[in-house]
Amino acid sequence: DAKTTQPTSMDCAEGRAANLPCNHSTISGNEYVYWYRQIHSQGPQYIIHGLKNNETNEMASLIITEDRKSSTLILPHATLRDTAVYYCIVRPGNTGTASKLTFGTGTRLQVTL
Amino acid sequence: DAGVIQSPRHEVTEMGQEVTLRCKPISGHNSLFWYRQTMMRGLELLIYFNNNVPIDDSGMPEDRFSAKMPNASFSTLKIQPSEPRDSAVYFCASSSQRSSGNTIYFGEGSWLTVV
Repeated sequence: DAKTTQPTSMDCAEGRAANLPCNHSTISGNEYVYWYRQIHSQGPQYIIHGLKNNETNEMASLIITEDRKSSTLILPHATLRDTAVYYCIVRPGNTGTASKLTFGTGTRLQVTL
Repeated sequence: DAGVIQSPRHEVTEMGQEVTLRCKPISGHNSLFWYRQTMMRGLELLIYFNNNVPIDDSGMPEDRFSAKMPNASFSTLKIQPSEPRDSAVYFCASSSQRSSGNTIYFGEGSWLTVV
């Protein structure tokens, strides 16, 4: 699996946008970028994924650079409930076969008042 | 829709006892994953199944661990005999290659303490 690099921790004020970067310079052509988060004591929660186009859903936006070597997850209006560890993972997507998620250490996002 | 269901949510057992963790994947999903999380090692994949067949068990720590998937709606992870170092949160997850993005969804975990 391609490896990702994320900052260890970040802070964000409540109500502001949280921008979480991720580097994945060795990503392969068939690999998607997935984002998960883990709130304390809960299971990892799927947020969003993308291949090369920017994506948006009710939780977040994903911006992928044109060369696909990096991406940014954007939480447009962070709340205290968004405090969690955020994982950026690259993995084959719709391949027709099972493929695993390999978790790194992620970014610990602390949202403050 | 029901998500991935795990049981028990919490278990405390004595060293040497057998522990069985159970998982019901999301209906219609054909891949199932078992992960373990500890402070020291983070989230580690133990084993995963595709269409009830084990595909990769390279993460299973040792022979004391075994996993089965007798049908598409049930899987077990067994530890026998258990040791204190097995104390961790065990997550089950499932996915479907037929659905968009092949996204993996996780259960809430089974918190195991071996004393």
